[in-house]
Amino acid sequence: EAGVAQSPRYKIIEKRQSVAFWCNPISGHATLYWYQQILGQGPKLLIQFQNNGVVDDSQLPKDRFSAERLKGVDSTLKIQPAKLEDSAVYLCASSSEPYEQYFGPGTRLTVT
Amino acid sequence: KNEVEQSPQNLTAQEGEFITINCSYSVGISALHWLQQHPGGGIVSLFMLSSGKKKHGRLIATINIQEKHSSLHITASHPRDSAVYICAVSGFVSNTGNQFYFGTGTSLTVIP
Repeated sequence: EAGVAQSPRYKIIEKRQSVAFWCNPISGHATLYWYQQILGQGPKLLIQFQNNGVVDDSQLPKDRFSAERLKGVDSTLKIQPAKLEDSAVYLCASSSEPYEQYFGPGTRLTVT
Repeated sequence: KNEVEQSPQNLTAQEGEFITINCSYSVGISALHWLQQHPGGGIVSLFMLSSGKKKHGRLIATINIQEKHSSLHITASHPRDSAVYICAVSGFVSNTGNQFYFGTGTSLTVIP
């Protein structure tokens, strides 16, 4: 079974630029999560989708971050404009069962 | 205060040593997860447990529900065990479904 795919793996941008990340969950997984993990910290949930609907986006900085999951499969996370403090690893995870999550390899973003 | 606390934050061991990483949590949970994250890599799930003890190769995870505490043990540690180990708990939140709480991770370095 293929795992959660993410791209790109690494991205370096200047502050005030825009960036987008892509996630392809495990086939059949209805729930998709985006996390932000700042160096030295645990992952922080940004947004959770159930199929193509948003379940929880309470910690998503909506003035600059947006995410969508059209058709309930792939998802994109966008930052516009980026700030220095957005430098982090962005993790995508998916699940089909409660209490389990399968993580992708992550995208390491560096904002200079 | 974090819902999940891990100790130690950093750990250096000689190859072959027995290693213990501790996790305490303060919320009601349905399951506790031990995750492994290699530098620059994504997250891999090692264990999911809700009671007792699980063993996989040289890794052992235990949980005490009454004390809200879990330990991850590595026997005969090896340099390839060097990684960040993250404790996470999952519990049901009525309005958003499943909710995960992550510890900040324990960075393990095993020296040959």
